[in-house]
Amino acid sequence: AQKVTQAQTEISVVEKEDVTLDCVYETRDTTYYLFWYKQPPSGELVFLIRRNSFDEQNEISGRYSWNFQKSTSSFNFTITASQVVDSAVYFCALSERGYGNKLVFGAGTILRVKS
Amino acid sequence: DTGVSQDPRHKITKRGQNVTFRCDPISEHNRLYWYRQTLGQGPEFLTYFQNEAQLEKSRLLSDRFSAERPKGSFSTLEIQRTEQGDSAMYLCASSLGAVSQATNEKLFFGSGTQLSVL
Repeated sequence: AQKVTQAQTEISVVEKEDVTLDCVYETRDTTYYLFWYKQPPSGELVFLIRRNSFDEQNEISGRYSWNFQKSTSSFNFTITASQVVDSAVYFCALSERGYGNKLVFGAGTILRVKS
Repeated sequence: DTGVSQDPRHKITKRGQNVTFRCDPISEHNRLYWYRQTLGQGPEFLTYFQNEAQLEKSRLLSDRFSAERPKGSFSTLEIQRTEQGDSAMYLCASSLGAVSQATNEKLFFGSGTQLSVL
């Protein structure tokens, strides 16, 4: 069975600090996809990144970066120089290869960035 | 691109009543999903449509829940004889996926319908 664990329930940082959100996953499939979504107070989840299981290259997008390590089944997300607008709930999610994209989400990490 | 819209945003009902939610996906999207999110948890998959065909239903979806997407455009989710345990945020998402091959495309979510059962 698939499972995603986000052990950090809530993180508080001061603006401009770097912060890493952890994600550990379990799956028996060799082909799978990992995602991060952001849920601001307005409620809609916003897609941040998708990674397939064959691509372990780390990715950087502006202040965001992702570290995918199959050896530890982890897909961690780092925000560099955090800003107040980064305050949200962040979800890591997993889907197995298929014709639809049924996601299994972690419980989420609440990030609070204080000015 | 108007995004995924859901109606209503909030619904308060008494236990035992029926409720219906509507989701309008992004117009060209062929796939539509319903998820349920309770406080402090991540969304849980409920069901999924490709065009008008309901291709998968979660075991979470009891017989009191039914979803339709009659013309492959908007979708409705109905809950009959609501229970207090049905209180949650119901999220709709849509995506554009290839018909004949496996894809794991990104989903576009609506803002959800918050259901409170008293």
